[in-house]
Amino acid sequence: GENVEQHPSTLSVQEGDSAVIKCTYSDSASNYFPWYKQELGKRPQLIIDIRSNVGEKKDQRIAVTLNKTAKHFSLHITETQPEDSAVYFCAASSGGSNYKLTFGKGTLLTVNP
Amino acid sequence: GAGVSQSPSNKVTEKGKDVELRCDPISGHTALYWYRQSLGQGLEFLIYFQGNSAPDKSGLPSDRFSAERTGGSVSTLTIQRTQQEDSAVYLCASSPKYEQYFGPGTRLTVT
Repeated sequence: GENVEQHPSTLSVQEGDSAVIKCTYSDSASNYFPWYKQELGKRPQLIIDIRSNVGEKKDQRIAVTLNKTAKHFSLHITETQPEDSAVYFCAASSGGSNYKLTFGKGTLLTVNP
Repeated sequence: GAGVSQSPSNKVTEKGKDVELRCDPISGHTALYWYRQSLGQGLEFLIYFQGNSAPDKSGLPSDRFSAERTGGSVSTLTIQRTQQEDSAVYLCASSPKYEQYFGPGTRLTVT
C-alpha cells in the first residue's frame, strides 16, 4: 500500500520567514495530494491540494509543488504569521478510482512573533 | 451549507462497555471515512465507504470495531468491549470525490 513520509516533524520560524514542509510517497499511481492544517483542538482543514497533472499550485501565501518522477511534494508558506502556527499534514491518494488518502505523520509549525 | 457533524462531542465510558459514535456527512457526498487520532499523533485510517461498494475495512484495528453507513448517508462507528487504548479522538470525513471534509470529532475516554 501507499506510504507517506513527512519532514520535518517540528519546524520553528520567525514571523515573516518562509516555511517548507516536504513529503515523499511510494505509490506511483497516486494522483491527488492535499495538505491539511490542524489547529490545537480543532478539526483538520484542507488548505491546498494538487493533482498529478500540474507541477505547482499557489493560493496567496501558500504553494504546493509536485515532482512525480521523484515522488515528492512540498508545502511552501511565505511571510509566515503567528496564526500559521498549527500541525500540517500531507496526504497522497491511493490512485486510480480509489480516493482513499494516506496521511503523513504531521509537522508542528511554530511561528514566533 | 452545513458541514460534517459528529455526536457526541465527548464520550466517557468504562472499560468493557460498548460505544456508538455517529457521523452526519455533507449531503450528496458519496464517500465517508473514519479516522482515529491519538493525542499528538497523526490520522490513523479506520474504514472507508464509497457509494454502494463494499466498505474498505483494512484499517480497523480489531474485530471489536465495526461501522455501517445507512442509506448512503449517516454512519455509525461501534466499538465493543472498549479498552483503555481505544481512548482517542475519532474523526469522520466525507468527500464528493477527492477533497475530504472533516467533522469536529468525538473525544472518547475509556476509564
